[in-house]
Amino acid sequence: GQNIDQPTEMTATEGAIVQINCTYQTSGFNGLFWYQQHAGEAPTFLSYNVLDGLEEKGRFSSFLSRSKGYSYLLLKELQMKDSASYLCAKMDSNYQLIWGAGTKLIIKP
Amino acid sequence: IAGITQAPTSQILAAGRRMTLRCTQDMRHNAMYWYRQDLGLGLRLIHYSNTAGTTGKGEVPDGYSVSRANTDDFPLTLASAVPSQTSVYFCASSDSSAGQTGELFFGEGSRLTVL
Repeated sequence: GQNIDQPTEMTATEGAIVQINCTYQTSGFNGLFWYQQHAGEAPTFLSYNVLDGLEEKGRFSSFLSRSKGYSYLLLKELQMKDSASYLCAKMDSNYQLIWGAGTKLIIKP
Repeated sequence: IAGITQAPTSQILAAGRRMTLRCTQDMRHNAMYWYRQDLGLGLRLIHYSNTAGTTGKGEVPDGYSVSRANTDDFPLTLASAVPSQTSVYFCASSDSSAGQTGELFFGEGSRLTVL
């Protein structure tokens, strides 16, 4: 299948750093995306990786290793407002997004 | 404010009834999508449209139909609702006909309960 695997839930402390991992099947790969979704709200785009390496965007960074079928989202200087679900999605050979079930991130003071 | 609008935001529906979820965008995006989101599962694509006048089936199309008469509107119809269609439905759009950028803009969702 096209399983996109990410942890169901993670907990971190305000001000700390957290890394959310995502693994996927390497066949038919056209990019890896991360979205943020607050409870009861729509997903919003965070990042896009198509080449290996780290993409930094403020407090958020995303990493990709195409050969390993692996990505992570790194959140620094965590704030309470970062409490949300983080969705990993792979773009397949038909340019359609295959979504993981999401990682619920709980931030504690 | 430019964006993508869904209606209704919430609906309770008796099984067997017909229901249309509306979606309108004013960003002139070519591609539009309908997803359903269920607890513990990723977003699943129901139907999509790469441009006005064309539609395609996604991962879970059974029991749903769509139309794309113009660029702005992409309604989703449940011809005869069943309880397994209880879900949160998201409409989305992107500015590439092939969806190559991957950046989707989502509506606020429609929470549908079928009893």
